[in-house]
Order: sequence, then C-alpha cells, then structure tokens
Amino acid sequence: KQEVTQIPAALSVPEGENLVLNCSFTDSAIYNLQWFRQDPGKGLTSLLLIQSSQREQTSGRLNASLDKSSGRSTLYIAASQPGDSATYLCAAMMYSGGGADGLTFGKGTHLIIQP
Amino acid sequence: EAQVTQNPRYLITVTGKKLTVTCSQNMNHEYMSWYRQDPGLGLRQIYYSMNVEVTDKGDVPEGYKVSRKEKRNFPLILESPSPNQTSLYFCASTSGGGVNEQFFGPGTRLTVL
Repeated sequence: KQEVTQIPAALSVPEGENLVLNCSFTDSAIYNLQWFRQDPGKGLTSLLLIQSSQREQTSGRLNASLDKSSGRSTLYIAASQPGDSATYLCAAMMYSGGGADGLTFGKGTHLIIQP
Repeated sequence: EAQVTQNPRYLITVTGKKLTVTCSQNMNHEYMSWYRQDPGLGLRQIYYSMNVEVTDKGDVPEGYKVSRKEKRNFPLILESPSPNQTSLYFCASTSGGGVNEQFFGPGTRLTVL
C-alpha cells in the first residue's frame, strides 16, 4: 500500500527566502503526483501536477520535481512571501489495472512565512 | 466557472440522524471521490466512483454510503452518524484525457454530537 511522507511537518522562514518542501512515496508505480495548498479551514487548491513521465513542472514562483526511481518529489518556492503561508500537501495517484486510482496524501507541511 | 460544489458547508447533527452531503461537478468528469480529513491522519479516501452506477470502497468506507445516478452528482450518505464521523469532508472530481488532475470542493465540516 502506498505511503506518502512529507518532511518537514512544519517550517517557519523569513520572507524572501527560497525554500524546498519534500515529499517521498514508497511505491513508484504512480500515475501522477500533485501538489496542493490548503489554507486553514478551507479546501484544497491544486498548485502543480506532474505526470509520471515528466521530471518537473513550473508555475510562477513554484517548481515541482519528480524522481520516480528514488520515490521523491520536491516543491521549490522562490522568494517566499507572507501570502505563501499555508499547509502544502502532496498526493500520489496510483495506477491500477483499470486506470488511475485514488490519491494517497501526505500529512502536509505547515509553512509560515515571517514578514 | 469549472467547479465542484458541496452542501452543506457546515453541519451539526446528533447521533443516529441520517444525513446526506451533496456533491456536484460541472466539468463532465467521470471519476469522483469522497475524502475525510482528520488532524494527525491527513486525508483518506472514503468512496470513489469511476462512472454512473459504478462505485467502490476507498480506505475508510465503514459507516458511509454513496450513489452515482447521474454523472455530475455524487452524494455521501451517513445512515446513522456517530461521533467518530466528526470530520472535514471533501468531494473531488478527476479530469480525464490521461491527465487525471483532481479538483476539490470547498469542504463540509460535520460535527456529530
């Protein structure tokens, strides 16, 4: 059964710093990996989706990489801003015999950007 | 606007009183699912549906039912809610075309007394 781990569980950095959030998964037979942002008490906002055949995806100040062989993904945030404060979740979608399966989520990294 | 909607957003109920949380998507997605989110446990899949009239159990299906009579709707039914079902619930739909990106609803915060 797929397990997804996110390290660190919490991170606090000064505004302006570049930072990396880590996500590891135990089963490399993934269909894709998706990064989400969740603000307190709110829903999940999709940030980046990396297909299993891709190595990275970029959107603005965000860059996500995927290394299936080592079971790792990273989310790089450049020039962090206080508005980036949120919980960041990664989720692996598995490939089953009938196609893509549900998501297995990590427990998230709670990020605080200090002004 | 492409979206997944859920209702109600907040619900307080009592043990044993049947309730339904509705979910609807306007993106013509075939695959829909329900998750619950609990502190320390993260998000876990309850049920999913690959198409109309096709549903299957996720990781934590006990105490829940679902139905998929139309493509756009995927209601979650709690026949006899218990306090351990107090949680934040999310409905999601998945795009097709080989991309399989998941879109989440805003969440339903359920409290069972």
